[in-house]
Amino acid sequence: GENVEQHPSTLSVQEGDSAVIKCTYSDSASNYFPWYKQELGKGPQLIIDIRSNVGEKKDQRIAVTLNKTAKHFSLHITETQPEDSAVYFCAARGPNYGQNFVFGPGTRLSVLP
Amino acid sequence: GAVVSQHPSRVICKSGTSVKIECRSLDFQATTMFWYRQFPKQSLMLMATSNEGSKATYEQGVEKDKFLINHASLTLSTLTVTSAHPEDSSFYICSATDDNQETQYFGPGTRLLVL
Repeated sequence: GENVEQHPSTLSVQEGDSAVIKCTYSDSASNYFPWYKQELGKGPQLIIDIRSNVGEKKDQRIAVTLNKTAKHFSLHITETQPEDSAVYFCAARGPNYGQNFVFGPGTRLSVLP
Repeated sequence: GAVVSQHPSRVICKSGTSVKIECRSLDFQATTMFWYRQFPKQSLMLMATSNEGSKATYEQGVEKDKFLINHASLTLSTLTVTSAHPEDSSFYICSATDDNQETQYFGPGTRLLVL
């Protein structure tokens, strides 16, 4: 089955710096890759997603890149702010496992003021 | 964006009682809903997938008689934890997908504490 790895598990950056979180997946048939942000005590919120026919997508300070050959995708946050502090989860979805998402283990991002 | 609500947000119950958690899609029709369980500082663990009008599909290791799932309408799914025990204490989160069944939209979660 699909396996999604995520690195790093924790990340601390200074306010204003950039943060990058990387995920790798094992199933080459996976075709949809969302990123979720989860604040303490709350449910995950979709922040950006990318489909396999696109290499990069950007939304203001957030961008996602996808390398299908290497089977990895990354989340880039620029000009980080304290409110970006949260746990970020990547996920993969594909035809071999139906409607389900396979989630990475999460990255705890701390933005230091 | 699509909004999913959960009720209650937190519940404390005595061991042996049953607890029902509701998950509603507020502004779209959710053909599929998912129930997850999350332990502290861990990722989301899928418990079951439910399609409106049919029986839920449970993940391996999840007791279907203990975690009863009903998806009676396109906007409501319920999870009932029967005969709850302290080890059932956890954060339960639902998600829903719309007609294109691509993105999952998550509810705010329900924190269950069984005493």
